[in-house]
Amino acid sequence: AQSVTQLGSHVSVSEGALVLLRCNYSSSVPPYLFWYVQYPNQGLQLLLKYTSAATLVKGINGFEAEFKKSETSFHLTKPSAHMSDAAEYFCAVSGIFGNEKLTFGTGTRLTIIP
Amino acid sequence: GAVVSQHPSRVICKSGTSVKIECRSLDFQATTMFWYRQFPKQSLMLMATSNEGSKATYEQGVEKDKFLINHASLTLSTLTVTSAHPEDSSFYICSARGGAEAEAFFGQGTRLTVV
Repeated sequence: AQSVTQLGSHVSVSEGALVLLRCNYSSSVPPYLFWYVQYPNQGLQLLLKYTSAATLVKGINGFEAEFKKSETSFHLTKPSAHMSDAAEYFCAVSGIFGNEKLTFGTGTRLTIIP
Repeated sequence: GAVVSQHPSRVICKSGTSVKIECRSLDFQATTMFWYRQFPKQSLMLMATSNEGSKATYEQGVEKDKFLINHASLTLSTLTVTSAHPEDSSFYICSARGGAEAEAFFGQGTRLTVV
């Protein structure tokens, strides 16, 4: 069984400040981990993914995440927030086989303060 | 990345009618497709998983006779909401996995409103 916990349903940061969105996972098998972003009334767009290669993963729009097995975490960071980063962010976990479902966290709404 | 096209993006239908939503993988073969439902300001709830050529596997609590899923080819899956009621109004999203990439690719979503 797999699960994801996203701490903080709402996060607000000032423009230019560090963004940190937390994700902890539980998995009985080696996981693949993902961060997706969703803008209003749209589908999900992949930000980055961990697939058992490098533990520090860089994604689009300046985001990165670090896989820490000892902490079962996969937190998302961005050094400097931009107004366009305001959106809903979802962390997800799956097994390593291509037909496995993704299990999503409850999401974190990121608000950027001008 | 790969492209998944979902159609229509918005649909309004009368109570009691059926609505079909299409999900197409445009540049890869989607061996597995997933259908999600998303309530306002909530996460995605997996409704069912479908593999090409076989019956869909529904999550607990999802009525398979109400939400008909067909995955007839490696590039197309459809979700039909039968005898729709206002409580079926929601945002439905499909995703597809397959090919060389590890991630699932998502459609743009369909906003269904039943009046």
